[in-house]
Amino acid sequence: DAKTTQPNSMESNEEEPVHLPCNHSTISGTDYIHWYRQLPSQGPEYVIHGLTSNVNNRMASLAIAEDRKSSTLILHRATLRDAAVYYCIERNRDDKIIFGKGTRLHILP
Amino acid sequence: NAGVTQTPKFQVLKTGQSMTLQCAQDMNHNSMYWYRQDPGMGLRLIYYSASEGTTDKGEVPNGYNVSRLNKREFSLRLESAAPSQTSVYFCASTRRGGDTGELFFGEGSRLTVL
Repeated sequence: DAKTTQPNSMESNEEEPVHLPCNHSTISGTDYIHWYRQLPSQGPEYVIHGLTSNVNNRMASLAIAEDRKSSTLILHRATLRDAAVYYCIERNRDDKIIFGKGTRLHILP
Repeated sequence: NAGVTQTPKFQVLKTGQSMTLQCAQDMNHNSMYWYRQDPGMGLRLIYYSASEGTTDKGEVPNGYNVSRLNKREFSLRLESAAPSQTSVYFCASTRRGGDTGELFFGEGSRLTVL
């Protein structure tokens, strides 16, 4: 039922940038794109969200394609503490919020 | 700031026993959710409540019942637990009208059914 598609897993080296892709080809014009991450043995936590333009916060950047059918979460300088499962979801006026399987990010020291 | 509080954090049941997972939020959120997460898997929506007095089925509602007791509290009940319901359960809440409202999650309740 998840409306988004993400790779199952990715690897990155510590202190290098990480680009996590997400496809949401059926997204409607008013749907927001949200990213969450889940650290080991914890509940998910909010990372960032956006609608059309690119967004930055203290945790990450979100780059949204011009046609809005895909987006990329960017961690500018990965640390070992960024190893987690990252979820990309669509948020709209419907209160039903579906998560997919997410991307498991491995950080290599 | 308590945020979203779940109880109990751990529970072991025998097949056929019943139990209720409690969830409370102190952020005046309208919408509340129950998810389950099996080992190595993503989150699956069990039930959700868009406002006090309303509940709706999610992706995997079979074997569960919910009650939105008031705006703060949303409980999940297993009437007759089965081993397939062994999982970690997460409660979450958010403002309604999903645009920018982020989801806040509890720490999870780990349930084992023998």
